[in-house]
Amino acid sequence: KNQVEQSPQSLIILEGKNCTLQCNYTVSPFSNLRWYKQDTGRGPVSLTIMTFSENTKSNGRYTATLDADTKQSSLHITASQLSDSASYICVVPISGSARQLTFGSGTQLTVLP
Amino acid sequence: DSGVTQTPKHLITATGQRVTLRCSPRSGDLSVYWYQQSLDQGLQFLIQYYNGEERAKGNILERFSAQQFPDLHSELNLSSLELGDSALYFCASSVLGTGELFFGEGSRLTVL
Repeated sequence: KNQVEQSPQSLIILEGKNCTLQCNYTVSPFSNLRWYKQDTGRGPVSLTIMTFSENTKSNGRYTATLDADTKQSSLHITASQLSDSASYICVVPISGSARQLTFGSGTQLTVLP
Repeated sequence: DSGVTQTPKHLITATGQRVTLRCSPRSGDLSVYWYQQSLDQGLQFLIQYYNGEERAKGNILERFSAQQFPDLHSELNLSSLELGDSALYFCASSVLGTGELFFGEGSRLTVL
């Protein structure tokens, strides 16, 4: 069964600290993995898309890693800011098709001052 | 601003009623996707249209239907509403090739 599991379910950190969110997937065949940020009550916004051949990809203070062998991805947030408080969602398409996306349940990150 | 426009932003209605949610995709995007997100739940794929034709169906109830018009805007119709239909409904459009999705701000439906 195609699944995407994220951990932790929720995380609270202090402003300025770093954190790492995890995503394990069993989707097959694999083509790419996406991380989205969703502010409460808002639409998800793409942070990064990683293909099979990419190990690391950065977008500002966000760095995603991918290990296709172990089927794991992580999203590292550096020097967190209050505006980083959001749900971070890992998404993996089935067969590389956008119409068949498997969504993780997300990690709810809260950054406190 | 993703470029995807959804209306209305908020909608409150009663059980048994029917509502229509509207989505305008980004300029040039031919695909439109509808998702449902219940409270504290993940996004559930409902249905996809490409250039006016239905392309894929997810967990969409028979009480729900959608269509995409020649100008590429899409409407999601929800009928015989139940309390459990209360949720955020997101529309997304995709870039041809990469499949990256751009989401609208959602329509929050409350069924009382």
